[in-house]
Amino acid sequence: EDKVVQSPLSLVVHEGDTVTLNCSYEVTNFRSLLWYKQEKKAPTFLFMLTSSGIEKKSGRLSSILDKKELFSILNITATQTGDSAIYLCGWSGNTPLVFGKGTRLSVIA
Amino acid sequence: DAGITQSPRHKVTETGTPVTLRCHQTENHRYMYWYRQDPGHGLRLIHYSYGVKDTDKGEVSDGYSVSRSKTEDFLLTLESATSSQTSVYFCAIGGGNMNSPLHFGNGTRLTVT
Repeated sequence: EDKVVQSPLSLVVHEGDTVTLNCSYEVTNFRSLLWYKQEKKAPTFLFMLTSSGIEKKSGRLSSILDKKELFSILNITATQTGDSAIYLCGWSGNTPLVFGKGTRLSVIA
Repeated sequence: DAGITQSPRHKVTETGTPVTLRCHQTENHRYMYWYRQDPGHGLRLIHYSYGVKDTDKGEVSDGYSVSRSKTEDFLLTLESATSSQTSVYFCAIGGGNMNSPLHFGNGTRLTVT
């Protein structure tokens, strides 16, 4: 059975801090790893990673995948209150996207 | 919102009543999914479809059925709603053989009293 574990489950930081969110997995026939940000409504897509060691970046957010060690990290630098959200990672393998429980990030001014 | 509309947006129903949630897409995507989201559990897959009349079960399919008679519509039915099915339900499109990201609808909040 595929399994995705995210850590920490919740995190409180101050504006300007840098945070690292973790996602480990046990998935049969790995295809891709996706990160999403969820505020009040639907999860919104951030990154999709399929190759190990290649960093994806978008502004202050970046993510990298390690297929050998079976994990991914999402980094957010210079955090802002608008980064407060639940961050979800999902892995695609033999089954459709399987999600972890998410990390709830709170950024306080 | 990637052309995905869920209806209704909110629903309150009583235990034992049937409930149908609708997902409508305008992207002509082959793959569609129903997830539920609960505190402490994240997003869990209920059912998915890989084409008209082609569906399969997900992790938490007990108590749910689905139908897809047209590419654009994917229906989720709770035959006899229970309080444990109180949740937020998300429809998504994408993935499949294209290995493309999933895009989600805005969700339906269902309360079973």
